[in-house]
Amino acid sequence: NAGVTQTPKFRVLKTGQSMTLLCAQDMNHEYMYWYRQDPGMGLRLIHYSVGEGTTAKGEVPDGYNVSRLKKQNFLLGLESAAPSQTSVYFCASSSVGQPQHFGDGTRLSIL
Amino acid sequence: AQTVTQSQPEMSVQEAETVTLSCTYDTSESDYYLFWYKQPPSRQMILVIRQEAYKQQNATENRFSVNFQKAAKSFSLKISDSQLGDAAMYFCAYRSLPKLVFGKGTKLTVNP
Repeated sequence: NAGVTQTPKFRVLKTGQSMTLLCAQDMNHEYMYWYRQDPGMGLRLIHYSVGEGTTAKGEVPDGYNVSRLKKQNFLLGLESAAPSQTSVYFCASSSVGQPQHFGDGTRLSIL
Repeated sequence: AQTVTQSQPEMSVQEAETVTLSCTYDTSESDYYLFWYKQPPSRQMILVIRQEAYKQQNATENRFSVNFQKAAKSFSLKISDSQLGDAAMYFCAYRSLPKLVFGKGTKLTVNP
């Protein structure tokens, strides 16, 4: 049972480049989330989804887009990467009323 | 909007002793969940313990227990018989479906 899998685990980008982070879960969870973690800031919610085909903004959505075309996948896109988006990104999923299960994180550096 | 405050950026404890990590939150809701997550240097987010707001009894998981004071909006974590493997960042989190709001974390050091 893989749980929540994030791809890639590490990436370096140049300013202005685009990329997509992939999150896949095999637990049939309805809810999926993307967070970013910065030193001294804890985890902050970027976007989330309560079901296939639905997305919503979290606390820090600017500069990111998401899509949930399939229930098991939640994609996070950076259209034009900026140094301020250097961070560790976590994906999570959950069922209603249950704790969130987290992936192992993606370390993203933007030069 | 809900907020979660962890007032202790860093804490330390001697091995085998007890330590308490503080967490307060702000909400106008009556039904919610509270969690403590552990993040070791491996970066994984590991659920330590959870508490449903409607339950008056404090949750316990082996050496980990909470002191949940709903009226005071306080949710502290007590770690008994601390072990070297307990060294990590600890995050308090408030959940009002579907979102989870995290505190900024407390770094726990365990001294041998």
